[in-house]
Amino acid sequence: EAGVAQSPRYKIIEKRQSVAFWCNPISGHATLYWYQQILGQGPKLLIQFQNNGVVDDSQLPKDRFSAERLKGVDSTLKIQPAKLEDSAVYLCASSSIRDRGSEQYFGPGTRLTVT
Amino acid sequence: GNSVTQMEGPVTLSEEAFLTINCTYTATGYPSLFWYVQYPGEGLQLLLKATKADDKGSNKGFEATYRKETTSFHLEKGSVQVSDSAVYFCALSKPTNDMRFGAGTRLTVKP
Repeated sequence: EAGVAQSPRYKIIEKRQSVAFWCNPISGHATLYWYQQILGQGPKLLIQFQNNGVVDDSQLPKDRFSAERLKGVDSTLKIQPAKLEDSAVYLCASSSIRDRGSEQYFGPGTRLTVT
Repeated sequence: GNSVTQMEGPVTLSEEAFLTINCTYTATGYPSLFWYVQYPGEGLQLLLKATKADDKGSNKGFEATYRKETTSFHLEKGSVQVSDSAVYFCALSKPTNDMRFGAGTRLTVKP
């Protein structure tokens, strides 16, 4: 079974520019997550989708971050405009059921550097 | 709120040494507990999990027991190998599956 796919793997932009990340979850997984992992820290949830609906976006900086999952499959995360503190690895994960204890499968991440 | 605190690293061990990485949690209700591992250049992989008190998760020689009385989920391995060098994350999951991670512990195993 193919894993969670993410692109690009690396991105370097200047502050105030915009950037978009793409994620394709494991086939059949209804739940999709975007995490931000700052160097030296654990991943922090930005947004959780169940199919194409948002379950939790309480930690998403909505003034600059947006995400969508229009057809309930792949998803994009956008930052506009980027700030220096947005430099991080952005991880996408998916899971098959929205119950406690279900495993989340992670993609390789996109490393963003904002200069 | 729900949170996880894990042992700060880095941890450096010789091959075949015993490993313990401490993890404690704060949570309302009864969360599920996880250990994830991140090898260099790769995404996080589930190492083991436990969904209720006194459960023991195990995989690849690693073990962790869900201790509700001490709110802990310490990771242990009796004999580490060079290939175990990675960053280890303790995490808890609320019923809505919102995963909360610790800061990670970097393990380096030297031959």
